[in-house]
Amino acid sequence: NAGVMQNPRHLVRRRGQEARLRCSPMKGHSHVYWYRQLPEEGLKFMVYLQKENIIDESGMPKERFSAEFPKEGPSILRIQQVVRGDSAAYFCASSPSGRDTDTQYFGPGTRLTVL
Amino acid sequence: AQSVTQPDIHITVSEGASLELRCNYSYGATPYLFWYVQSPGQGLQLLLKYFSGDTLVQGIKGFEAEFKRSQSSFNLRKPSVHWSDAAEYFCAVATGGGNKLTFGTGTQLKVEL
Repeated sequence: NAGVMQNPRHLVRRRGQEARLRCSPMKGHSHVYWYRQLPEEGLKFMVYLQKENIIDESGMPKERFSAEFPKEGPSILRIQQVVRGDSAAYFCASSPSGRDTDTQYFGPGTRLTVL
Repeated sequence: AQSVTQPDIHITVSEGASLELRCNYSYGATPYLFWYVQSPGQGLQLLLKYFSGDTLVQGIKGFEAEFKRSQSSFNLRKPSVHWSDAAEYFCAVATGGGNKLTFGTGTQLKVEL
């Protein structure tokens, strides 16, 4: 079984451009989570989605960031008008349900560099 | 609000020596606790988890962790470290319903040969 897939693995953008990060959950998983890891820090929760629904976006910056998980296709984390402070590793995780007892399986991450 | 503290930023041990990585949590209800390992440039791999029951849990790669409610701790241990264990280790707690994870800042483990 394929694990959680993320692409691209590395993304370079200039300030003001848009970044689109994609995440395909494990087969059979309908819950997706996005986390951000800044240099020298742990992972910070950003958003939790189910198919076609945002369940919890309490960790998302109020502006420029959005996420979706359509009925078909991967989950997308979109960052508009990127700034240097957006440079980080973005990890996606998936789980079969939204229970606290679920294990979240992480993808390899997308490392975003903003020039 | 829930939080996780990993007081040791860096730890260096000799190969074959024992290891203990500390983790303290702050959470009002029964915590669900996890340890993940991250190798350089990689994603996170689950080592073990605690939900209830026996407070000593066994994980992969010879790791174990003990939940101590009185100390709000969930320390990770390994009796004999291998050079391939060098990585960053994260403790996390599941909170808020829906399985949102709150992570500690991580402990970087270096293994000397």
